[in-house]
Amino acid sequence: QLQLQESGPGLVKPSETLSLTCTVSGGSISSNSYYWGWIRQPPGKGLEWIGTIFYSGTTYYNPSHKSRVTISVDTSKNQFSLELRSVTAADTAVYYCARHHTQLGYCSGGSCHYYYYYMDVWGKGTTVTVSS
Amino acid sequence: EIVLTQSPGTLSLSPGERATLSCRASQSVSSSYLAWYQQKPGQAPRLLIYGASSRATGIPDRFSGSESGTDFTLTISRLEPEDFAVYYCQQYVSSPFTFGQGTKLEIK
Repeated sequence: QLQLQESGPGLVKPSETLSLTCTVSGGSISSNSYYWGWIRQPPGKGLEWIGTIFYSGTTYYNPSHKSRVTISVDTSKNQFSLELRSVTAADTAVYYCARHHTQLGYCSGGSCHYYYYYMDVWGKGTTVTVSS
Repeated sequence: EIVLTQSPGTLSLSPGERATLSCRASQSVSSSYLAWYQQKPGQAPRLLIYGASSRATGIPDRFSGSESGTDFTLTISRLEPEDFAVYYCQQYVSSPFTFGQGTKLEIK
């Protein structure tokens, strides 16, 4: 059974960089060509999509955070990571990693493109507080 | 970006009753690319419905989804005690993916 587990510091100082890792177990991050995403939820508020990465490294970001966010993947460790730079108190939230339902779109010139959809497997989430 | 507006904000019902939750999109969500999630306190969201009306694996058939234009509905036919939670809709037709603000389903 596929499981995702977030890890990283629970406290980050303002203006510093928030770094989280999602470890995938029960399956390979690169098998079946999945996309993997980060979502966050501020205290008492709703959900916000941050960004998504394909196992090959292709990324898609929410424009709201694009200038501050980097998502990367390490297939050898079966992990993908989130970096959010120059954090403020507004970045205090529970951060979730998740797997996207992914389907083959088309193949052309020897390569294939996959589409990502809803999130069907979620980690339990990790709380990050931004405070000095 | 597509804005999703959920109503009501809070719904107070008793076990055994029928629950109807709404999600209105600010523009067309083509190909029915809308999902519903359930979230209980201290837990991650759980996928209930995708494609506006398809139940995810293991979801009881008392949960159903429907759509009419830009209006989407999640219906719980007979509420069980474990159904009281917050429900979110989410569109995945265009980036950025967006969620509604949630509907809290509470015990009356």
